[in-house]
Amino acid sequence: DADVTQTPRNRITKTGKRIMLECSQTKGHDRMYWYRQDPGLGLRLIYYSFDVKDINKGEISDGYSVSRQAQAKFSLSLESAIPNQTALYFCATSDPRGLGGQFFGPGTRLTVL
Amino acid sequence: ELKVEQNPLFLSMQEGKNYTIYCNYSTTSDRLYWYRQDPGKSLESLFVLLSNGAVKQEGRLMASLDTKARLSTLHITAAVHDLSATYFCAVDRGGGNEKLTFGTGTRLTIIP
Repeated sequence: DADVTQTPRNRITKTGKRIMLECSQTKGHDRMYWYRQDPGLGLRLIYYSFDVKDINKGEISDGYSVSRQAQAKFSLSLESAIPNQTALYFCATSDPRGLGGQFFGPGTRLTVL
Repeated sequence: ELKVEQNPLFLSMQEGKNYTIYCNYSTTSDRLYWYRQDPGKSLESLFVLLSNGAVKQEGRLMASLDTKARLSTLHITAAVHDLSATYFCAVDRGGGNEKLTFGTGTRLTIIP
């Protein structure tokens, strides 16, 4: 079984809809992250969480919110989706020592029409 | 603002050849990461470089870090087709909390 899972894997939605992307991990890591990937821009950090009570904005948090329901679960919400949020979204986890890098989920491809 | 630049952005090379991908960054950091991404897939961690002068090798790939020059290199030796992928470097913004800034990636194509 995968260590980091994301649901859904693909989603097509319309402008103005609320969308939630979910991430679960079995690695036992405290740190979790949400990124978006756009062609030619690499990955950009949206939000990160170092434990259940610690939530922090990344470099592009506007238009997004998150919820850390448990150590193993970290959800990303788009309250009112817009077309320029069309992207590939990745969840990642890491060990606080940072010795192994971040472990990425399979990604969610989101299209906003 | 931390900026991370990779070059080249695209690289097409023949099997058996050697080449180097460069990663330059704009502010002080002593942690740098290399990732690999296959088309349509997720990112896989390749190397974690934690100090100046760090060098790590895995198979035909070798990564190094020069924090004074703010430069990391990913060297490919005797390339094989299986190494075709996009390679990203990512720099920790500081403090070891793994707030990473990624480069835009180098798309590597190995031609048989």
